[in-house]
Amino acid sequence: DGGITQSPKYLFRKEGQNVTLSCEQNLNHDAMYWYRQDPGQGLRLIYYSQIVNDFQKGDIAEGYSVSREKKESFPLTVTSAQKNPTAFYLCASSIEGTSHFTDTQYFGPGTRLTVL
Amino acid sequence: GNSVTQMEGPVTLSEEAFLTINCTYTATGYPSLFWYVQYPGEGLQLLLKATKADDKGSNKGFEATYRKETTSFHLEKGSVQVSDSAVYFCALSDQAGTALIFGKGTTLSVSS
Repeated sequence: DGGITQSPKYLFRKEGQNVTLSCEQNLNHDAMYWYRQDPGQGLRLIYYSQIVNDFQKGDIAEGYSVSREKKESFPLTVTSAQKNPTAFYLCASSIEGTSHFTDTQYFGPGTRLTVL
Repeated sequence: GNSVTQMEGPVTLSEEAFLTINCTYTATGYPSLFWYVQYPGEGLQLLLKATKADDKGSNKGFEATYRKETTSFHLEKGSVQVSDSAVYFCALSDQAGTALIFGKGTTLSVSS
């Protein structure tokens, strides 16, 4: 079955530690995205990538980093510079990179990160 | 700038009741409009979409019509089920395709 997988489902981190969230897709989609979801809030875009080896900052990129070395993978690192990292993180993908935000986005099941 | 406003929840209904979740938007030009649904503990799924004025998106008994004159994209269902309990997000993509903007979400709870 085609889809997006995110791991782990739950992640706990001590303050001051970096942590990497995994996102893999086998849909052969060009574009991939990372969103952050906080209670009672809509989704906010962290980073997106239209094509391999290229990515752009979203609305709240500070304290986060990404890489896109393979088409199917788009890992997100939450660094110690992120002041309030506890949130639900969602990865998504869409078919094309050129009109990426008008295409339907397909979401993974999410990773809930808690900073202890 | 572009924005999406949804009615605040939670919305609590009995099974077989009629559902409306209001969504209005602010955008220049002709954005594409979406409804996404998030079931407990899961990611979002596309429920329906409309890409031009007067288009009606429909799926699983849900409908929404793109109204340019009122800048609205209200979600409706004639008879809700317990399994429809979820959070519903209205979203827009601007005409240039440079951003997907979400509303804050509306929680729907349906009881039997």
